[in-house]
Amino acid sequence: KQEVTQIPAALSVPEGENLVLNCSFTDSAIYNLQWFRQDPGKGLTSLLLIQSSQREQTSGRLNASLDKSSGRSTLYIAASQPGDSATYLCAVHMNRDDKIIFGKGTRLHILP
Amino acid sequence: EAQVTQNPRYLITVTGKKLTVTCSQNMNHEYMSWYRQDPGLGLRQIYYSMNVEVTDKGDVPEGYKVSRKEKRNFPLILESPSPNQTSLYFCASSRIPPTSTSYEQYFGPGTRLTVT
Repeated sequence: KQEVTQIPAALSVPEGENLVLNCSFTDSAIYNLQWFRQDPGKGLTSLLLIQSSQREQTSGRLNASLDKSSGRSTLYIAASQPGDSATYLCAVHMNRDDKIIFGKGTRLHILP
Repeated sequence: EAQVTQNPRYLITVTGKKLTVTCSQNMNHEYMSWYRQDPGLGLRQIYYSMNVEVTDKGDVPEGYKVSRKEKRNFPLILESPSPNQTSLYFCASSRIPPTSTSYEQYFGPGTRLTVT
């Protein structure tokens, strides 16, 4: 059974620092991996999608990488800002049964 | 505007009283899902649908029903709600196939359900 793990569960960093969030998965039979942002009490907003055939995707200050063979993805945030404070979640779409499995998220706090 | 809508946004009900949470999307997406989000457990998929009249169980389907009679709508039905179904529920949709470059999950704003 697929397990998606995000470490750390929470992270606080000073404004301006670059940071990396991690996502690991046990079953590499995936179509894609998607990173989301969730603000408190709100829905999820898609940040980046990486197809299984891709290695990385970039959007502005965000860069996501995927190493399917080792079951890992990272989300790199450059020059962090207080507005980046949120919970970040990763999710994989399984190619075996089309289920979508989420990690439990990393709660990020950027200190002004 | 492309969106997924859910109704109601907040609901307090009593044990055993049947309820339906509606979900609708205006993007002509084939794939639709329901999730519940609980502290410490994260987001877990309840049911999903690949297209009209096609539904499949996710990881936590017990106590829930769904239907997909129209492409845009995917209601979640709780026939006899119990307190352990108190949760934050999200509906989501996306285009298929999942290998498509236009694939992306869009989420509704959530429905906070309390069962007493």
